[in-house]
Amino acid sequence: ELKVEQNPLFLSMQEGKNYTIYCNYSTTSDRLYWYRQDPGKSLESLFVLLSNGAVKQEGRLMASLDTKARLSTLHITAAVHDLSATYFCAVDFDRGSTLGRLYFGRGTQLTVWP
Amino acid sequence: EAGVAQSPRYKIIEKRQSVAFWCNPISGHATLYWYQQILGQGPKLLIQFQNNGVVDDSQLPKDRFSAERLKGVDSTLKIQPAKLEDSAVYLCASSDRTLGDYGYTFGSGTRLTVV
Repeated sequence: ELKVEQNPLFLSMQEGKNYTIYCNYSTTSDRLYWYRQDPGKSLESLFVLLSNGAVKQEGRLMASLDTKARLSTLHITAAVHDLSATYFCAVDFDRGSTLGRLYFGRGTQLTVWP
Repeated sequence: EAGVAQSPRYKIIEKRQSVAFWCNPISGHATLYWYQQILGQGPKLLIQFQNNGVVDDSQLPKDRFSAERLKGVDSTLKIQPAKLEDSAVYLCASSDRTLGDYGYTFGSGTRLTVV
């Protein structure tokens, strides 16, 4: 069974600081997704990484994918309070078919304080 | 474009009762997923449909959960009888790779509380 591990699970950081969330997975996949979830809300797509070495940036968030290491990172630069949410990584595993399915990590609950 | 629609948004039932959730995917999306998200955890895939056929239901507790996607569009997920541990948010998602789009779109979810 495919395993997706995120760390840390809880992250409390001061505004203006930088930090990285890590996502490791246990089987070969070239596609990895990052989602944001606010309390009581659904999943908001942040990044879709489709190949080894892919790097995407949006505002203060940057995501990267190393398929050889089976590792993705979500880097937060100069955190602000509005980034407080839970962040999930999800691995797309298609078992050789053209159809994919997502396997999620447990999520990283981020709190940014003044 | 319209997103993935789910209803109801909230449902409270007593254990041993039955409940059903409805999902309408993005128009034209052939693949539909139901996920269960227990508080404090990541979503877990329950069942995957391609058009009206089941692709993967290996994680669906079939003694109490059932799902169907008649006509390959809307889908319903049913729980009968419900247990306390079924309390969770049930998320529906859809995707379509025929045009090379690898995105998944999630609905707002149905929050189920079993008391």
